[in-house]
Amino acid sequence: KQEVTQIPAALSVPEGENLVLNCSFTDSAIYNLQWFRQDPGKGLTSLLLIQSSQREQTSGRLNASLDKSSGRSTLYIAASQPGDSATYLCAVTSNSGYALNFGKGTSLLVTP
Amino acid sequence: EAGVAQSPRYKIIEKRQSVAFWCNPISGHATLYWYQQILGQGPKLLIQFQNNGVVDDSQLPKDRFSAERLKGVDSTLKIQPAKLEDSAVYLCASSPTLSGNTIYFGEGSWLTVV
Repeated sequence: KQEVTQIPAALSVPEGENLVLNCSFTDSAIYNLQWFRQDPGKGLTSLLLIQSSQREQTSGRLNASLDKSSGRSTLYIAASQPGDSATYLCAVTSNSGYALNFGKGTSLLVTP
Repeated sequence: EAGVAQSPRYKIIEKRQSVAFWCNPISGHATLYWYQQILGQGPKLLIQFQNNGVVDDSQLPKDRFSAERLKGVDSTLKIQPAKLEDSAVYLCASSPTLSGNTIYFGEGSWLTVV
């Protein structure tokens, strides 16, 4: 069974810092990996989707990398802003199934 | 383009009562998912539909939960009878196909069982 772990569980940084969120998964036979953002009381918004054949994806200040062989992904946020405060969730789709398996998320607080 | 619509947004019921949640996916999306998210946890898949067929319901507590997508468009998730541990956010999501695409989530239906 695929297990997804996110470290750290919570993170507080001052505005302007660059930061890295980590995600690891136990089964490297994945189809793709997605990073989501969840604001309090809201649903999930997809930030980046990395197919298993890709190494990274970029969108604005966000960069996600994927190392399938080691079962790891990182989400890099450059020049963090208070508006980046949210919970960030990592999810993988395994080759053996179609559903997303989620980690518990990293709660990020960016202080002015 | 309209997003995934869910209703009701909030519901409070007593244990052993029943509740139903409705979801209308993005137009043209063949795949529809129901996830359960307990506070502090990541979402857990309850059931996945491809058009009006069930792809995966292995984690659906079938003694109390049921879901249908009769016409391959909107879907209903029902809980009967509810237990205290069913208090969670029920998230509906859709995607164009089974895999390889971005998944779009609704804002969720918040259930409190007292």
